[in-house]
Amino acid sequence: DGGITQSPKYLFRKEGQNVTLSCEQNLNHDAMYWYRQDPGQGLRLIYYSQIVNDFQKGDIAEGYSVSREKKESFPLTVTSAQKNPTAFYLCASTTGGQDEQYFGPGTRLTVT
Amino acid sequence: AQSVSQHNHHVILSEAASLELGCNYSYGGTVNLFWYVQYPGQHLQLLLKYFSGDPLVKGIKGFEAEFIKSKFSFNLRKPSVQWSDTAEYFCAVNSNTGNQFYFGTGTSLTVIP
Repeated sequence: DGGITQSPKYLFRKEGQNVTLSCEQNLNHDAMYWYRQDPGQGLRLIYYSQIVNDFQKGDIAEGYSVSREKKESFPLTVTSAQKNPTAFYLCASTTGGQDEQYFGPGTRLTVT
Repeated sequence: AQSVSQHNHHVILSEAASLELGCNYSYGGTVNLFWYVQYPGQHLQLLLKYFSGDPLVKGIKGFEAEFIKSKFSFNLRKPSVQWSDTAEYFCAVNSNTGNQFYFGTGTSLTVIP
C-alpha cells in the first residue's frame, strides 16, 4: 500500500533535548510538508520541501530543522530552542504544485 | 499572506439534520480549495476539492461544497448527517502559483444519534 508513515506515534522527551520525528512516503511525491496541529489553531506550516536537498521555512520554523536527502524521507528535528514543543506533528506530501496533500498518521510529542 | 477562516468552532447536530460549515479565505488571485476531514484516531483525508469549473463540487460520503468567488467562500454542506460524520473538518486553500497550503482552525462536528 502506498502512503506516508510517521514514527513513533507517541514520543516523550525531557526539556532541553533535541528530538527527531520521522516521515517516510512511498507515493513518489516530490513535495513534502511538516505541520504542527494544536487545539483551536488548525494546522500551521513548519517547513516544506519541493525537491531533494531543498526546503523552505513555513510560518513557524523557529526552533525546528529539517533535511531532505532522499525523495522518500523528510525528518523533522525539534530542537531545544523550540519554546513550546509539545504538540501533534503531521507530515504530508503531494505530487507538487497545487494538487491535494496526503497526510501521515501523526506523531504526538510531549516534552516535560 | 493568505488566511482561512472557519467561523464554526464546534457544531453539535442530531442525526438527519442538515449541515453547513463556513469557510472564507483571503486572497485576491486564483485559488484551489479543499476540505479535509479527520475522524477520531484516523489520518486527515480529503473530502473534496475545487480547482476550476463547476463551483458546486461533490465529494465523498455525500458531502458537497460551493465556491462563491464574490464572497471568497467555500462552504461545506451535507443534507443529512449521520453519527459517523462526527469528526474535525478543515478548510484549506492554496494559490495556483504557490506551493504552500493554508488551513483554517477547524470545526469539530459532533452528531448525536
